Amino acid sequence: DTGVSQDPRHKITKRGQNVTFRCDPISEHNRLYWYRQTLGQGPEFLTYFQNEAQLEKSRLLSDRFSAERPKGSFSTLEIQRTEQGDSAMYLCASSLRSPLGGSVETQYFGPGTRLLVL
Amino acid sequence: DQQVKQNSPSLSVQEGRISILNCDYTNSMFDYFLWYKKYPAEGPTFLISISSIKDKNEDGRFTVFLNKSAKHLSLHIVPSQPGDSAVYFCAATGKGGSEKLVFGKGTKLTVNP
Repeated sequence: DTGVSQDPRHKITKRGQNVTFRCDPISEHNRLYWYRQTLGQGPEFLTYFQNEAQLEKSRLLSDRFSAERPKGSFSTLEIQRTEQGDSAMYLCASSLRSPLGGSVETQYFGPGTRLLVL
Repeated sequence: DQQVKQNSPSLSVQEGRISILNCDYTNSMFDYFLWYKKYPAEGPTFLISISSIKDKNEDGRFTVFLNKSAKHLSLHIVPSQPGDSAVYFCAATGKGGSEKLVFGKGTKLTVNP
């Protein structure tokens, strides 16, 4: 049983460059979430997908950020024209939403991608 | 506006004793509360959750208590072990537990041998 995987684990880039991160969720999970964590803070929600549909985006997600989940499997998060303020840990989580609802859907997190923008 | 607050950045306890981590929230629409544990260089790991209609949930050494009127929850770890040393995040979610998580800033627990 493989958990959530993220690639790369670390990324150093120069300001103004574009970066793309990948997340592979647990195989049977239909929901996929992206969060961002900065030093001394808890993870903050960015966006989530149910299957291939992007259902919600946070106001934190500026127009330089775009996320996709083609075919409802893996997801990519792209940041264009990176800024130093984008330096953070980017976390991906997946969960299985029951069609019956009524109980908490546990989100399982990947190890994260640490981004440093110089 | 911090909807989920963990006011203690750190906590230190002796091995074998009880660890109590606290969390307060402001949004009465939250339906479920969860605790995650995070080691350095790893993603958060789910520990335990509680529905807003309950006041206690227990799983082995971990017990979560919810006081809805006070908008307060706590995680008790008994007995504490050195391997429990990590950052603990309180999180909340609304709409039947199927939405985004709102996290607190975390409390770093150190369990001394």
